[in-house]
Amino acid sequence: GIQVEQSPPDLILQEGANSTLRCNFSDSVNNLQWFHQNPWGQLINLFYIPSGTKQNGRLSATTVATERYSLLYISSSQTTDSGVYFCAVETYNTDKLIFGTGTRLQVFP
Amino acid sequence: DAGVIQSTRHEVTEMGQEVTLRCKPISGHDYLFWYRQTMMRGLELLIYFNNNVPIDDSGMPEDRFSAKMPNASFSTLKIQPSEPRDSAVYFCASSLSRGGGYTFGSGTRLTVV
Repeated sequence: GIQVEQSPPDLILQEGANSTLRCNFSDSVNNLQWFHQNPWGQLINLFYIPSGTKQNGRLSATTVATERYSLLYISSSQTTDSGVYFCAVETYNTDKLIFGTGTRLQVFP
Repeated sequence: DAGVIQSTRHEVTEMGQEVTLRCKPISGHDYLFWYRQTMMRGLELLIYFNNNVPIDDSGMPEDRFSAKMPNASFSTLKIQPSEPRDSAVYFCASSLSRGGGYTFGSGTRLTVV
């Protein structure tokens, strides 16, 4: 099956810093989503981005489907950005969204 | 829109007992997914439905697990008998269409003692 690798596994930032999270996948995909799991366990959909670039406030994401990677940018990080960020992908021949192992982000004041 | 509803946030049961988890998807969403999250295995897809029909249950760990979707607004995941290793957070999610964005419920944390 498809492999989804996220890096770095852990990230510690001071409030106000910028960061880039990476997601590599091993096969062509027709669906790629970024999720944030907050410290209370809720999974929030950040972006649906099988290709191209999107921005939502301080967050933006870029997927280069031909090179099989996606990037999530967090600018001016805040303590509320803490949690785990997951990349999840779906291939053309399935309806299943497969999750990566996540990047754990801690933002300190 | 109330989102995907998993009304039980925490469930504690004794080993050997039957436990049923419940989910109400977003109205109009054709796809419903059950995921399990553990520290060791991360987020795993257990089963998913399209238009109330189970499509792929290859992620269901063993025969003790079963899932149903009797109508478009309700699904259950049942474990019988439950075992301590079933302790995990179980998420339900729904999607409007194939390849579309997923919305997750708040999850049910199951503890089997």
